[in-house]
Amino acid sequence: DAKTTQPPSMDCAEGRAANLPCNHSTISGNEYVYWYRQIHSQGPQYIIHGLKNNETNEMASLIITEDRKSSTLILPHATLRDTAVYYCIVRVVDTDKLIFGTGTRLQVFP
Amino acid sequence: DAGVIQSPRHEVTEMGQEVTLRCKPISGHDYLFWYRQTMMRGLELLIYFNNNVPIDDSGMPEDRFSAKMPNASFSTLKIQPSEPRDSAVYFCASSLGLGTHNEQFFGPGTRLTVL
Repeated sequence: DAKTTQPPSMDCAEGRAANLPCNHSTISGNEYVYWYRQIHSQGPQYIIHGLKNNETNEMASLIITEDRKSSTLILPHATLRDTAVYYCIVRVVDTDKLIFGTGTRLQVFP
Repeated sequence: DAGVIQSPRHEVTEMGQEVTLRCKPISGHDYLFWYRQTMMRGLELLIYFNNNVPIDDSGMPEDRFSAKMPNASFSTLKIQPSEPRDSAVYFCASSLGLGTHNEQFFGPGTRLTVL
């Protein structure tokens, strides 16, 4: 079973920051937080991952709370093409399995 | 690289028929994954391989499902006999493997409809 909890849906205005929360209160010390997204009719796409420090790449930023029980994915300037289902996943570092939950459906509107 | 390649992209078959889905992983990737996605159950991991060897098939729903990886560049997922409840989108993914950065690259999927 997925070890994360996400809101089922969110809206965001184009050009604004989209902040997607994820709760992983039972995360263990050797588990990473991964984010993937799935644009309609396509396969999931990797976005970013982190252990305990905040991370940033060309797509997004990941903010992990100090107790690691929750995190937030930030899309700094959302575009219409960011409309997708966003999955927050907890993965044990020495396993290869990703257990997808139900995700958050982000709708970016003009 | 062309990415993960899956074929066919769409398959419509009748109940009881054998269905074979195909996947070509990204060259050099040691891990290959098969997922199934439905509205009811979401995205589920069925089986994954490391260096052509099945590592975990605990997600395979029943004996009607089988997967093989005869070499590093090809894998099949077979359903025999197929049933309407097998209708879903089947994704194949590949990755470089263990390590802190285990990005899985997904193919475009095969949409299977069993009538």
